[in-house]
Amino acid sequence: SYELTQPPSVSVSPGQTARITCSGDALPKQYTYWYQQKPGQAPVVLIYNDTKRPSEIPERFSGSSSGTTATLTISGVQAEDEADYYCHSADHSGSFPWVFGGGTKVTVL
Amino acid sequence: EVQLVQSGAEVRKPGESLKISCKASGYSFTTYWIGWVRQMPGKGLEWVGIIYPGDSDARYSPSYQGQVTISADKSINTAYLQWDSLKASDTSMYFCARRFDGPSTGVDFWGQGTLVTVST
Repeated sequence: SYELTQPPSVSVSPGQTARITCSGDALPKQYTYWYQQKPGQAPVVLIYNDTKRPSEIPERFSGSSSGTTATLTISGVQAEDEADYYCHSADHSGSFPWVFGGGTKVTVL
Repeated sequence: EVQLVQSGAEVRKPGESLKISCKASGYSFTTYWIGWVRQMPGKGLEWVGIIYPGDSDARYSPSYQGQVTISADKSINTAYLQWDSLKASDTSMYFCARRFDGPSTGVDFWGQGTLVTVST
């Protein structure tokens, strides 16, 4: 079955930049989505279609994709950004089931 | 305003049946795919299945095919996830999730989650 690979954890100091990668063979063909989940809460979409940001999401969150790797960048990290982050995409066919990455825990030092 | 409101936490014994719900509002229920995502305690997100309420076309992840049933009632804008015989291993948080419009695989709105606990 198709897999998306994320680093388990990323640590960053406040005000610095955090980058979370997501690797998958089909990413050149399929869009990547990014979600933030804080403890005890439902996920929230941060980025859709590789680079688009919903209007309510702060500008410090951005997405990019190149080849088989998509990247979520958090610029000027704030304490409130400490959370789990998941990428999401599909295999080459685009058919269900779609796939989540294993998740990355971002710790703000 | 789009809202997905899920039914409350449930505690059941192994072998019992259960049906949890997700009531949608603020959009045309019949024209968006809506699905269920599982999160085991302390773990990541995993698709269970998805349904198009307009024609009740349901798709399941292979691990869940035959283990659960996803349905939708257009008259009350509600999607369901059902088990006929629960196992302890079904203990998880379950989120309903609406797929983006158009040729997309991502989710734009999530329910608040329903915690299902299966224990003797």
